[in-house]
Amino acid sequence: EVQLQESGPGLVKPSQSLSLTCSVTGYSITSNYWGWIRKFPGNKMEWMGYISYSGSTSYNPSLKSRISITRDTSKNQFFLQLNSVTTEDTATYYCARGTVFAYWGQGTLVTVSS
Amino acid sequence: DIQMTQSPASLSASLGETISIECRASEDIYSNLAWYQQKSGKSPQLLIYAANRLQDGVPSRFSGSGSGTQYSLKISGMQPEDEGDYFCLQGSKFPRTFGGGTKLELK
Repeated sequence: EVQLQESGPGLVKPSQSLSLTCSVTGYSITSNYWGWIRKFPGNKMEWMGYISYSGSTSYNPSLKSRISITRDTSKNQFFLQLNSVTTEDTATYYCARGTVFAYWGQGTLVTVSS
Repeated sequence: DIQMTQSPASLSASLGETISIECRASEDIYSNLAWYQQKSGKSPQLLIYAANRLQDGVPSRFSGSGSGTQYSLKISGMQPEDEGDYFCLQGSKFPRTFGGGTKLELK
């Protein structure tokens, strides 16, 4: 069974970079699409971007200048980096599989605060 | 971006009651719509995809319908375990966009 698990710092200072890892078991990230989604306080959800089975990426234009999604196929992990964070980036971050997300990680809360 | 307008924002239902949640897209999304349930402290669970296809393992009291810009999720007979947040997702274009969510409570 495919499982996804997010990991990374729970607290990031404003203007710094947010970096998260999604570790995948039970399925190779060289198949399918792998994305990042976040849920803000107040419950609004935002699709951030994906990395495909081939390594191509697509990002939400609202984030395009700040976001990078990369992967390490040897470790079956993919990564999110979000630069120049502000308090408005405080959210629960999820990794998920597919373009219509059938499998999700458990989510990790990231707070941006000084 | 395609805007997804979901209603109602909150809903209280009695045990066994049938309820519906609606999502309206700002343009035709050609049945590329999914519904999710999220219980408190848990990750979202896919219920319905392609507007009306039930994800494996999801109880049959959940159903989806709609086309074009208008879609709905129906729960036929509210159960205590159905409490949670529900939201829709359009899968027609990138960036993917979500509805604002519906909080469903048992009355």
